[in-house]
Amino acid sequence: GAVVSQHPSWVICKSGTSVKIECRSLDFQATTMFWYRQFPKQSLMLMATSNEGSKATYEQGVEKDKFLINHASLTLSTLTVTSAHPEDSSFYICSARDLYTETQYFGPGTRLLVL
Amino acid sequence: AQTVTQSQPEMSVQEAETVTLSCTYDTSESDYYLFWYKQPPSRQMILVIRQEAYKQQNATENRFSVNFQKAAKSFSLKISDSQLGDAAMYFCAYRNMMEYGNKLVFGAGTILRVKS
Repeated sequence: GAVVSQHPSWVICKSGTSVKIECRSLDFQATTMFWYRQFPKQSLMLMATSNEGSKATYEQGVEKDKFLINHASLTLSTLTVTSAHPEDSSFYICSARDLYTETQYFGPGTRLLVL
Repeated sequence: AQTVTQSQPEMSVQEAETVTLSCTYDTSESDYYLFWYKQPPSRQMILVIRQEAYKQQNATENRFSVNFQKAAKSFSLKISDSQLGDAAMYFCAYRNMMEYGNKLVFGAGTILRVKS
């Protein structure tokens, strides 16, 4: 089946630094990718929708200057958490929608801990 | 705005028994899909089953089946012959196919515990 990879799987960083998370669709093309944030035992909260070659669409309340999203190709989207602070610590999940089947697949997630 | 409600925060089932997880949704649209996703302790989201609103027949995938009641806007998941590996958080999700971007709208989730 289709696979979505995320890298890194977990990261610890100091407050004030920036962290980049990569999301790749390994065996399919995705014009649309999604970024979610999830707190323990809670649902997925959509942060933004990214479309290949265009600007991401952010959900209400999500700071676009804080969470930079780039969708440079049909198989790669990146989320950069700029000037990370402890409150940005969370589990981030990306998802990619297959261009042809419209099926949405999820990556394994990235745990971010900001000290 | 479309909403998805899962009224059962937690459920328990004995191994080999059957359990039903509830989900209701609110929409005025006619072209939409409904999904059940499973999130085990690894936190990898796994698609369990999908139902297109225009299909009257309930979707089935091996031990997993749905009861789709369109008029009542209900979409429950039945797990038969429950196994220890079914223990996970289950999310019901809705997708409006006519909306630009047609993003998934998730319910709050139901934690399913399977007792041996």
